[in-house]
Amino acid sequence: DAGVIQSPRHEVTEMGQEVTLRCKPISGHNSLFWYRQTMMRGLELLIYFNNNVPIDDSGMPEDRFSAKMPNASFSTLKIQPSEPRDSAVYFCASSLMGLGRHEQYFGPGTRLTVT
Amino acid sequence: EDQVTQSPEALRLQEGESSSLNCSYTVSGLRGLFWYRQDPGKGPEFLFTLYSAGEEKEKERLKATLTKKESFLHITAPKPEDSATYLCAVQAKQAGTALIFGKGTTLSVSS
Repeated sequence: DAGVIQSPRHEVTEMGQEVTLRCKPISGHNSLFWYRQTMMRGLELLIYFNNNVPIDDSGMPEDRFSAKMPNASFSTLKIQPSEPRDSAVYFCASSLMGLGRHEQYFGPGTRLTVT
Repeated sequence: EDQVTQSPEALRLQEGESSSLNCSYTVSGLRGLFWYRQDPGKGPEFLFTLYSAGEEKEKERLKATLTKKESFLHITAPKPEDSATYLCAVQAKQAGTALIFGKGTTLSVSS
């Protein structure tokens, strides 16, 4: 199993530019999660999808952030326009909900730097 | 408000020196408590899930336990390769599938 795949691994962009992060969940998993990790705030949930439908986006910081899941094998997190305070590591995780199992499996992350 | 607090923030051990990491939580109905390991520059790696007070799980030198208010991750005779940040997370019954993470304990084991 390839695990959760994220791209790019590193992204450096200038303030005001659009940034798109991509995620391919583990095949067969039905839930997908986007997290952001910073030294100050730790790991924070931004949004999660169940069967491709957004369930809870209360963690999305502002309207500049948007996420989509057009099919079971692909999701994007977009920031437009980007700001220096968006610099962080963004993780995607997937899970197979049901049968009493709830563990989430994380990708390697995308380190975003906004200058 | 659901909350997770981990202590200590950092822990330095000599190889073979056993110790425990603490995860205290407040949650409105616990569905599960999760332990993850995170190496620098990598995503969190799943270790254990605990569902009810009194439950224990073991993997190599690690053992996780759960009470109604906290969980412990016991590390027996650690090796340098156990050096990592250990994250604790809880899932509340009324919060869907979202996990709330603590800020982690960074463990350093020297030989």
